[in-house]
Amino acid sequence: EAQVTQNPRYLITVTGKKLTVTCSQNMNHEYMSWYRQDPGLGLRQIYYSMNVEVTDKGDVPEGYKVSRKEKRNFPLILESPSPNQTSLYFCASSLRTGAANTGELFFGEGSRLTVL
Amino acid sequence: AQSVAQPEDQVNVAEGNPLTVKCTYSVSGNPYLFWYVQYPNRGLQFLLKYITGDNLVKGSYGFEAEFNKSQTSFHLKKPSALVSDSALYFCAVRDKYNNAGNMLTFGGGTRLMVKP
Repeated sequence: EAQVTQNPRYLITVTGKKLTVTCSQNMNHEYMSWYRQDPGLGLRQIYYSMNVEVTDKGDVPEGYKVSRKEKRNFPLILESPSPNQTSLYFCASSLRTGAANTGELFFGEGSRLTVL
Repeated sequence: AQSVAQPEDQVNVAEGNPLTVKCTYSVSGNPYLFWYVQYPNRGLQFLLKYITGDNLVKGSYGFEAEFNKSQTSFHLKKPSALVSDSALYFCAVRDKYNNAGNMLTFGGGTRLMVKP
């Protein structure tokens, strides 16, 4: 089954304790991206990756890191989480990048993170 | 720059009645437009898209949307609402010539409540 898998789905942590949210897709997609969803703000892009070893900042990258060592995986790293990073996070992927891509994004089920 | 506005936080409709969820957009070039639906505790699911051609596009679950270039709108519609349509709906836009990050800009979301 084609899917984007995120883990963990739910996490409560404390300020400053490093954490990683994993994301894996099995569709051989070039493009992957992380979003955060906050009430009234819709989805805002954190980081994206056009292909292996190619990553770049989205709208709200502060406090986050990513890596793309393999095509299927795109982990989101919070080196020192703070309460303002409490949010619902989504990983998404798409087959192609750039002008060739008219297709839709495929989303994971979401990871709800609470930072105390 | 590209942006999306969903002017209604919530839309209430009785089952069997037609529904409309509004979306207006702003892009500097030609738009690619999308609608996504989010059910509770789930990721976003693709509903439909407008790329080019016929202004009326049909998608999943009986939904359709009409692209109106002069009004820069892409409203989501369904002739007869079901209780199971109750969910959070997101409109998204991408400038056709935006090759940077394949970025979709999402609206703030509209909660659709269909009452029996």
